[in-house]
Amino acid sequence: GAGVSQSPSNKVTEKGKDVELRCDPISGHTALYWYRQRLGQGLEFLIYFQGNSAPDKSGLPSDRFSAERTGESVSTLTIQRTQQEDSAVYLCASSPIGEQFFGPGTRLTVL
Amino acid sequence: GQQLNQSPQSMFIQEGEDVSMNCTSSSIFNTWLWYKQEPGEGPVLLIALYKAGELTSNGRLTAQFGITRKDSFLNISASIPSDVGIYFCAGAAGNNRKLIWGLGTSLGVNP
Repeated sequence: GAGVSQSPSNKVTEKGKDVELRCDPISGHTALYWYRQRLGQGLEFLIYFQGNSAPDKSGLPSDRFSAERTGESVSTLTIQRTQQEDSAVYLCASSPIGEQFFGPGTRLTVL
Repeated sequence: GQQLNQSPQSMFIQEGEDVSMNCTSSSIFNTWLWYKQEPGEGPVLLIALYKAGELTSNGRLTAQFGITRKDSFLNISASIPSDVGIYFCAGAAGNNRKLIWGLGTSLGVNP
């Protein structure tokens, strides 16, 4: 069956531009998570959706970061006015309960 | 945010050797998960543990949920080159859907 997919797989952008990252979770998974992973580092929690609402946004680093989820399915993570420190791999995971299943990530490079 | 203490941070072993890594928490968890991440990919779930004292195997991998509910270990027996990667532990408490993550153990295997 289909796993979690993310697009694009790679994104190179210029400082100051906005970017949108997409996550398609496993069908039927009610929970969806976004993480950031800098090179050689662990996973940094950003935001969690239960259905279409976000009970925990505590990991969003600044107001330049936002996310939404529609139809209890697709989620979009938007980073406005990107900065070089935003360069990282952005991982999405979905979960029925407990276990989280990850997509391959989007590698974002801000020049 | 809260993190788990995962050790060792890295290890490099000879093919055929057994490996052990562990995670500890200052608080009680009711779920422990072990993931493996290879370069350019998202983490892949290896073993999930839901009960104190539980010992679960997945091929050459064995993980245990500590009886105090504050720790877990992962053992890999007879290591092979494809075991190379970063191993992450993650835990959750109560009904919390948000996982707390370790910083990873980087494993190298010398053929």
